[in-house]
Amino acid sequence: NAGVTQTPKFQVLKTGQSMTLQCAQDMNHNSMYWYRQDPGMGLRLIYYSASEGTTDKGEVPNGYNVSRLNKREFSLRLESAAPSQTSVYFCASARLAGAPGEQFFGPGTRLTVL
Amino acid sequence: KNEVEQSPQNLTAQEGEFITINCSYSVGISALHWLQQHPGGGIVSLFMLSSGKKKHGRLIATINIQEKHSSLHITASHPRDSAVYICAVSGSRLTFGEGTQLTVNP
Repeated sequence: NAGVTQTPKFQVLKTGQSMTLQCAQDMNHNSMYWYRQDPGMGLRLIYYSASEGTTDKGEVPNGYNVSRLNKREFSLRLESAAPSQTSVYFCASARLAGAPGEQFFGPGTRLTVL
Repeated sequence: KNEVEQSPQNLTAQEGEFITINCSYSVGISALHWLQQHPGGGIVSLFMLSSGKKKHGRLIATINIQEKHSSLHITASHPRDSAVYICAVSGSRLTFGEGTQLTVNP
């Protein structure tokens, strides 16, 4: 099993460009998450999907949109990238949302917005 | 004040030393997690606990629910333990501490 996979691993954008970060999991998990990690701050939740067909805002959703394409895939879209969105983005999945279960993380996408 | 506070922020040790990383939280939780992030960036779960103590190899995690405090101990530390250790608490969602950067020198 691959676990949680993310593409791309690295990306450089210019201000105003758009892009989609892809995430997929093969563990049949119900819930999926997008986080960003910035220096000096803990991981912060951008959006999450408790189950297929549902998405909800997290702590820092502004400037992002998400799509839960099916049970396996959860994508994060930046419609008009800004330098403040330079960060490392992690996707994670868990068996159930809201339950204290372990989350499994992807390898991360390092995004730079110039 | 952050809901999850870790100390120290940075820790340098010599190989073989006993290491303790602390985590305090201010919210009600259903479980506490310890995660490890290696220099390559990947994050893996080390422990999830809601009471008492858990041990895995040289790693021990404890939690005191009344005091809202958890510790992660590493016995006989090794350079391969060098990583960022992250505490996170489960409420309605995971809330993360800022992490502790551990460097173990040979």
